[in-house]
Amino acid sequence: GAVVSQHPSWVICKSGTSVKIECRSLDFQATTMFWYRQFPKQSLMLMATSNEGSKATYEQGVEKDKFLINHASLTLSTLTVTSAHPEDSSFYICSVMTPRGASQPQHFGDGTRLSIL
Amino acid sequence: AQKVTQAQTEISVVEKEDVTLDCVYETRDTTYYLFWYKQPPSGELVFLIRRNSFDEQNEISGRYSWNFQKSTSSFNFTITASQVVDSAVYFCALSEVIQGAQKLVFGQGTRLTINP
Repeated sequence: GAVVSQHPSWVICKSGTSVKIECRSLDFQATTMFWYRQFPKQSLMLMATSNEGSKATYEQGVEKDKFLINHASLTLSTLTVTSAHPEDSSFYICSVMTPRGASQPQHFGDGTRLSIL
Repeated sequence: AQKVTQAQTEISVVEKEDVTLDCVYETRDTTYYLFWYKQPPSGELVFLIRRNSFDEQNEISGRYSWNFQKSTSSFNFTITASQVVDSAVYFCALSEVIQGAQKLVFGQGTRLTINP
């Protein structure tokens, strides 16, 4: 079964709207989660590292005021795209850092397709 | 900085052909992990394999095999007797540990199309 639940799987909204994406760790407590963005026919680019109970660490070039990350519990991290515009349309994927010794370093959600009209 | 290069942007072959996807990496770390992921059209990432930098043994899993050569910093992936269901984008990735978090650096991906 799924280890990471990401919701919604797709969303279409008007320009200027704020959109919230949820990422839940179902099987274990996750102190660290990651958020990626993937444009069509491109690779996954890490946007930020989300740490439970503290501020997220953003990668260079990612606007922290545009992409708000909240990791208030050990099982849930949220990404809010504020005042979204068409250029924010993309595929957003979250992942959960696994416990030490696991075969995979991260378990990925199924992604959220965001389309801004 | 760590870097992963997948020089083949797109590959198209006919079903039952063998196909090799190339991956070259750069890292200063002596201990690292390499990975391959499959991303079908539905978008989810499917984990295929993890390889420790100290383990250069090649691995075979069914029709899949991986060739890790530290001397050339390569970690190539071969699909034998390809099938239409193998059509997907394949990503090679390298892990790095930054502030206690094991981050992944992805290559650009190779879009593989298997034609019937």
